[in-house]
Amino acid sequence: GESVGLHLPTLSVQEGDNSIINCAYSNSASDYFIWYKQESGKGPQFIIDIRSNMDKRQGQRVTVLLNKTVKHLSLQIAATQPGDSAVYFCADTGYSTLTFGKGTMLLVSP
Amino acid sequence: EAGVTQFPSHSVIEKGQTVTLRCDPISGHDNLYWYRRVMGKEIKFLLHFVKESKQDESGMPNNRFLAERTGGTYSTLKVQPAELEDSGVYFCASSQRMGLLSDEQFFGPGTRLTVL
Repeated sequence: GESVGLHLPTLSVQEGDNSIINCAYSNSASDYFIWYKQESGKGPQFIIDIRSNMDKRQGQRVTVLLNKTVKHLSLQIAATQPGDSAVYFCADTGYSTLTFGKGTMLLVSP
Repeated sequence: EAGVTQFPSHSVIEKGQTVTLRCDPISGHDNLYWYRRVMGKEIKFLLHFVKESKQDESGMPNNRFLAERTGGTYSTLKVQPAELEDSGVYFCASSQRMGLLSDEQFFGPGTRLTVL
C-alpha cells in the first residue's frame, strides 16, 4: 500500500493534559484505519480503529478523528497519564496487510 | 490465553551468518504475518500466511529471506546470509479471520536483530 506518515516524531505533555497525535495518509482509497500503541519491549497493541464512512470514533479516553478531505487522521488522548508514554502508530489496512506510519513518541511527565 | 510469542527476543550475529526467527501465533489463528522495523523507519509488511500457505509475500526484501509455516502452526523466518541492513525489529502478528477489515492483528513482542 501507499505510505502513511506522521507529522511529529515526539510529543511531550504533562500528566493530565490532553494529547493529540496526528497522521497523514496518501492513499485516498484507504477505508480503514487503526491506531496502535507500542510500549518499550512490546509489540504494537491495538487502541482504536475507524472506518472511512465515519469521521469520529470514541473509546475509553481516546478519540480518533478522520478527515477524508485532507487525508488526515488524529488520535486524541484525554487526561494523559504516565502509562500512556509509548510510541503511537497509525496504520491503514487493505484486504489483510497493514501499512504503518513512522510513529510518534509520546512522553508524559508527572 | 497466551499471546503471540517470538523467539529469540534478541539476536546479535555477524554479517554473513544465518539467523532463524520463530513465531508462535495465538492458537487457532489461521493468519500469520511478519513485519519488520528498521531503525528510524516505519514498520513494514513482509509476508502473510494463511495456515501453511503464503498468501502474500510482496514485502519480502530479497531471496536471502525465507519464511516457512510447516503444519500451519508456528512460523520461522530465516535470513541467510545476513547483511548489515537487515538489522531491526522483526514482528510477528496473527489474526483469526481474513478478509474482514475489523479482524484485529495481535502482535508479538518482536525479535531485535543486530547484524555486525
